[in-house]
Amino acid sequence: DAGVTQSPTHLIKTRGQHVTLRCSPISGHKSVSWYQQVLGQGPQFIFQYYEKEERGRGNFPDRFSARQFPNYSSELNVNALLLGDSALYLCASSPNRENPNEKLFFGSGTQLSVL
Amino acid sequence: EDQVTQSPEALRLQEGESSSLNCSYTVSGLRGLFWYRQDPGKGPEFLFTLYSAGEEKEKERLKATLTKKESFLHITAPKPEDSATYLCAVQLTGGGNKLTFGTGTQLKVEL
Repeated sequence: DAGVTQSPTHLIKTRGQHVTLRCSPISGHKSVSWYQQVLGQGPQFIFQYYEKEERGRGNFPDRFSARQFPNYSSELNVNALLLGDSALYLCASSPNRENPNEKLFFGSGTQLSVL
Repeated sequence: EDQVTQSPEALRLQEGESSSLNCSYTVSGLRGLFWYRQDPGKGPEFLFTLYSAGEEKEKERLKATLTKKESFLHITAPKPEDSATYLCAVQLTGGGNKLTFGTGTQLKVEL
């Protein structure tokens, strides 16, 4: 079975640009979560969706937005990129409706570099 | 403020040398504590979920335990393939649908 797939795997942008990161969850998983991981740190929560509804939002500026599509795939958008947005962006899926965080399945991430 | 602290930051073991990793937490209410393993260039891989003090979970050479203030990940007779960063995370009661991760313990097991 395919795991969580994220695209692209690597991305280089310049300050002020915008970026769209994509995530396809494991088949049958209806929840998608996004995390940002800066080198040497643990992942930091950005968003969680379940069946297209936002279930949670982390402490990130409004430049960060996301959505989930009817096929449960998801996009994370970041506008007006800053140098500090350089990080590994992780997507995780879960089949659990009551508590998606019970067991998260992570993709390998998109490494974003902002120059 | 809710905090998750992992120690040590890095640990080097000889193959077969058992040890423990620590995750201490200061939170208003714990819904669950989670352990993940992360290999370089990969996303975290789920290991365990613990919900209440006294609970223990085991998987191969790993055993996770939980008290009211901390969790331990015990590694028995580790092998080089156990080398990875081990992340601890907590989910709070009424804390929304997020996990709060620690900064991890980087484990290296040498022959």
